[in-house]
Amino acid sequence: EAGVTQSPTHLIKTRGQQATLRCSPISGHTSVYWYQQALGLGLQFLLWYDEGEERNRGNFPPRFSGRQFPNYSSELNVNALELEDSALYLCASSFKGTFTDTQYFGPGTRLTVL
Amino acid sequence: AQKVTQAQTEISVVEKEDVTLDCVYETRDTTYYLFWYKQPPSGELVFLIRRNSFDEQNEISGRYSWNFQKSTSSFNFTITASQVVDSAVYFCALSEATGTASKLTFGTGTRLQVTL
Repeated sequence: EAGVTQSPTHLIKTRGQQATLRCSPISGHTSVYWYQQALGLGLQFLLWYDEGEERNRGNFPPRFSGRQFPNYSSELNVNALELEDSALYLCASSFKGTFTDTQYFGPGTRLTVL
Repeated sequence: AQKVTQAQTEISVVEKEDVTLDCVYETRDTTYYLFWYKQPPSGELVFLIRRNSFDEQNEISGRYSWNFQKSTSSFNFTITASQVVDSAVYFCALSEATGTASKLTFGTGTRLQVTL
């Protein structure tokens, strides 16, 4: 069974540009989560999508947005990139969006903002 | 508010030593889940174990064992006879039932270095 996949593996952008990161959940999973792992800041919850809807977001500005498609894959968009957006972005999926579910993570996309 | 503390930033051991990674959590809820994840240098978070707040039975799986003590709000993880391949950052995480949030709150991680 395929795990969570993310693309691209690495992404290099310059300040002010937009970045788009993609995630495909494990087959059968309807919930997708995005986390940011920035140096020195640990793993921070960004967004949660379930059944095509944004269900919760963490303490991040509106320029972090995303969506979930009918096939449950998801896209994270970061507009007006800032240097501090450089981080590893991890996507996770779970069977349902309940607190009891285990979240399974993808390999991440490393975003570098120059 | 939920909080997870991993006081050990980095641990270095020699192969075959036993090592325990500490995790202390804070929550106001009586129903919650605790998790351990491993992050090797490749970056992917690998799920290791899940425990609910009603299950204080400790578990052993091969060289791994977990000690959940609700009275002290701790969920510690022990690797017996450590190996070089165990070198990674280990994260403890908490998931609560309250509110609409479905998210994990992570500790800051413990970097384990196992050398020959």
